Amino acid sequence: GENVEQHPSTLSVQEGDSAVIKCTYSDSASNYFPWYKQELGKGPQLIIDIRSNVGEKKDQRIAVTLNKTAKHFSLHITETQPEDSAVYFCAARYSSASKIIFGSGTRLSIRP
Amino acid sequence: KAGVTQTPRYLIKTRGQQVTLSCSPISGHRSVSWYQQTPGQGLQFLFEYFSETQRNKGNFPGRFSGRQFSNSRSEMNVSTLELGDSALYLCASKPISEGTEAFFGQGTRLTVV
Repeated sequence: GENVEQHPSTLSVQEGDSAVIKCTYSDSASNYFPWYKQELGKGPQLIIDIRSNVGEKKDQRIAVTLNKTAKHFSLHITETQPEDSAVYFCAARYSSASKIIFGSGTRLSIRP
Repeated sequence: KAGVTQTPRYLIKTRGQQVTLSCSPISGHRSVSWYQQTPGQGLQFLFEYFSETQRNKGNFPGRFSGRQFSNSRSEMNVSTLELGDSALYLCASKPISEGTEAFFGQGTRLTVV
């Protein structure tokens, strides 16, 4: 079935350290994997995405990797800052439909 | 360019009532999707509309319905409200149904008492 699993559910890192969030998906035909950041009182905001024909993508301090064989994808945030504190969601678009299925979210806290 | 606009931002309703939420997508976007967000279930897909037609539907009861107008604005309706319908309802727009980047509004916080 359509499922995206996300780990960990909570993550606390020291400011300046790196944070990694991992997701797995079930449909091998999925072809698009966005990551969203949701701050308190706001809707999710797209921060980076990757398509199935690419293994890695980087945007400043944020990078995403995709392993199609293992059906894994990960978000890497380097040199974390206080403003990185938020809930992060991974997602996958299933080829059978245009809807996007979300992971359960990771609450990231940056310790000063 | 204005973002996705959802109204109202907050709503309190009584069990058994019905409610209508509104979403205005980004100008030029023709696809509107609705999601329900709760602490226990996370973000769950409700349905998607494109060119006034429902394209996809999630696993929600028939009490949840929606529609889209010719100007791409969308409404969702929940009838016979239950306490468990309390949630943040989010709307996301895309240029086309097969499009990838979805932009979310700030949501409508519905509380059923």
